[in-house]
Amino acid sequence: AAGVIQSPRHLIKEKRETATLKCYPIPRHDTVYWYQQGPGQDPQFLISFYEKMQSDKGSIPDRFSAQQFSDYHSELNMSSLELGDSALYFCASSPTRVIYEQFFGPGTRLTVL
Amino acid sequence: SQQGEEDPQALSIQEGENATMNCSYKTSINNLQWYRQNSGRGLVHLILIRSNEREKHSGRLRVTLDTSKKSSSLLITASRAADTASYFCATAVSGAGSYQLTFGKGTKLSVIP
Repeated sequence: AAGVIQSPRHLIKEKRETATLKCYPIPRHDTVYWYQQGPGQDPQFLISFYEKMQSDKGSIPDRFSAQQFSDYHSELNMSSLELGDSALYFCASSPTRVIYEQFFGPGTRLTVL
Repeated sequence: SQQGEEDPQALSIQEGENATMNCSYKTSINNLQWYRQNSGRGLVHLILIRSNEREKHSGRLRVTLDTSKKSSSLLITASRAADTASYFCATAVSGAGSYQLTFGKGTKLSVIP
């Protein structure tokens, strides 16, 4: 079965650089979520999209932005990277916004040096 | 995490033994979910229990929910080395248009062969 695809899987950046993470949801899933998981931490909700519109916002810094495109893939753009942005970034999708179970991608490990 | 603690934070058992993990939460919920995460990997949905349910089974998993105490437990019976992972409880928080997950701190389970 198709799963959520994230790219890249690993990314190394310098402080103050920018990064773009991509997420391809499971086909026919119209809701996408982004989570950040710091080392030894639980995942924290960043932002979600439903039908290409921003749905909810969590603890997402102003330096981050995201969007969902017409093909339902989503991108998380991160600027002015800080050391504290080093984390695993997960994308999850669900068939509709009222379905509670979320299907997670393998994550992108971002390291900021 | 806004949802509270999981207990214990780490658990080490022998293969064949049962493992019990507990989770507490703070807000009213309409369901609680358990996810599993292998080291540095994505989260996998295990089981969902609704607020009007007290117990649910899925294979070797048994989940209980006590809404009066705002707590849940996950029991893995006859554990296997392959069960070694971190386990998180999560509640679906209804936002403007989606159901972002709020995770507990997680229990790191090690099953020794």
